[in-house]
Amino acid sequence: KAGVTQTPRYLIKTRGQQVTLSCSPISGHRSVSWYQQTPGQGLQFLFEYFSETQRNKGNFPGRFSGRQFSNSRSEMNVSTLELGDSALYLCASSSPVGQGAYTEAFFGQGTRLTVV
Amino acid sequence: AQSVTQLDSHVSVSEGTPVLLRCNYSSSYSPSLFWYVQHPNKGLQLLLKYTSAATLVKGINGFEAEFKKSETSFHLTKPSAHMSDAAEYFCVVRRPNFGNEKLTFGTGTRLTIIP
Repeated sequence: KAGVTQTPRYLIKTRGQQVTLSCSPISGHRSVSWYQQTPGQGLQFLFEYFSETQRNKGNFPGRFSGRQFSNSRSEMNVSTLELGDSALYLCASSSPVGQGAYTEAFFGQGTRLTVV
Repeated sequence: AQSVTQLDSHVSVSEGTPVLLRCNYSSSYSPSLFWYVQHPNKGLQLLLKYTSAATLVKGINGFEAEFKKSETSFHLTKPSAHMSDAAEYFCVVRRPNFGNEKLTFGTGTRLTIIP
């Protein structure tokens, strides 16, 4: 079974540009979450999608947005990039296992975004 | 509300000696707890998880952790360190019966193995 796939693995963008990152979850997983990892702030929750609906959002500005498609693949978009957006962006997928419980989060290898 | 504190930002041990990475949690609920490992420029890999079954949890690569409710702790141990264990380790708390929205991560412990 293929794991969580994130593309691209590395990106270099200029301040003011926008970027789109992609995440393909494990087959059958309908929950996809996004996290930002930086040396200063650690791992911070961005948002979570389930069956094409955003269920929860972290404390990030509106420049950060996402969506989920009917096949559960998800994209996140960052507009008007700032130097501080340089980070490793991680995607995680999981699946309900009944009675409100979920599997653990399975993470992709991340997309390393560098803003110059 | 929930939070997790990893008590050591950096741990160094010699190869072949025991490893102890400490984690304390705070939660209004009976939480689910996880340990993840991250090697350089890689994603997070699950080592083990506690979801209200046995309090002593065995994971991959010889790691285990014990859930102690009275001490609100979930420390990670390994009897004998290997060079390949050098990585960053994250303790994570999740509200039970919720999905992966808002997983709460500790700040991480960097484990160095001395040859």
